[in-house]
Amino acid sequence: DTGVSQNPRHKITKRGQNVTFRCDPISEHNRLYWYRQTLGQGPEFLTYFQNEAQLEKSRLLSDRFSAERPKGSFSTLEIQRTEQGDSAMYLCASSLGLGPAYEQYFGPGTRLTVT
Amino acid sequence: AQKITQTQPGMFVQEKEAVTLDCTYDTSDPSYGLFWYKQPSSGEMIFLIYQGSYDQQNATEGRYSLNFQKARKSANLVISASQLGDSAMYFCAMREGEGYGQNFVFGPGTRLSVLP
Repeated sequence: DTGVSQNPRHKITKRGQNVTFRCDPISEHNRLYWYRQTLGQGPEFLTYFQNEAQLEKSRLLSDRFSAERPKGSFSTLEIQRTEQGDSAMYLCASSLGLGPAYEQYFGPGTRLTVT
Repeated sequence: AQKITQTQPGMFVQEKEAVTLDCTYDTSDPSYGLFWYKQPSSGEMIFLIYQGSYDQQNATEGRYSLNFQKARKSANLVISASQLGDSAMYFCAMREGEGYGQNFVFGPGTRLSVLP
């Protein structure tokens, strides 16, 4: 399967702990996105990479959140000192960035529960 | 202000019937794109259809078509011959300009239930 993969699929953590999620995009895709989705809402943009460069971060993104894409392939999203409000589905998507549609292919998501 | 509005939190349709899911958008950018995604209970977002702001004809992809009314800023998704497997959340999304990052936004979604 050559789709976008995310690990872990589920993560339960205690408030105050750090967590890290991984995303492996489709291999030839140079653009990678992270979104957060809470129950009953659409995905909300967090950050975006073109190759290894992080080009944009959400204005709403706390400094407890950091993301990397060190070699322009997989990406990690770390949340430090987790809070209960961080409980959500974290979605990763990738795209080629070519053509007008800029279709994004999504992974299955990582569901985070902060207790 | 909401950039994407989906006024139907939930919709029901009888199997084999057609259904229209509403989406209105707000942008002042002359170049934009509109997308529909399906999210089944498994959680994965599945791309369905795309409409560019300069496209003259409504987009179609199999049983999906997009009713694009530019002056009204609406981009409704029409699903023909509904199937049980169409039961899912449906999200309308918009890309403004180059459309990455802040300029790619999703609506709140509509939950479609297909009845046997």
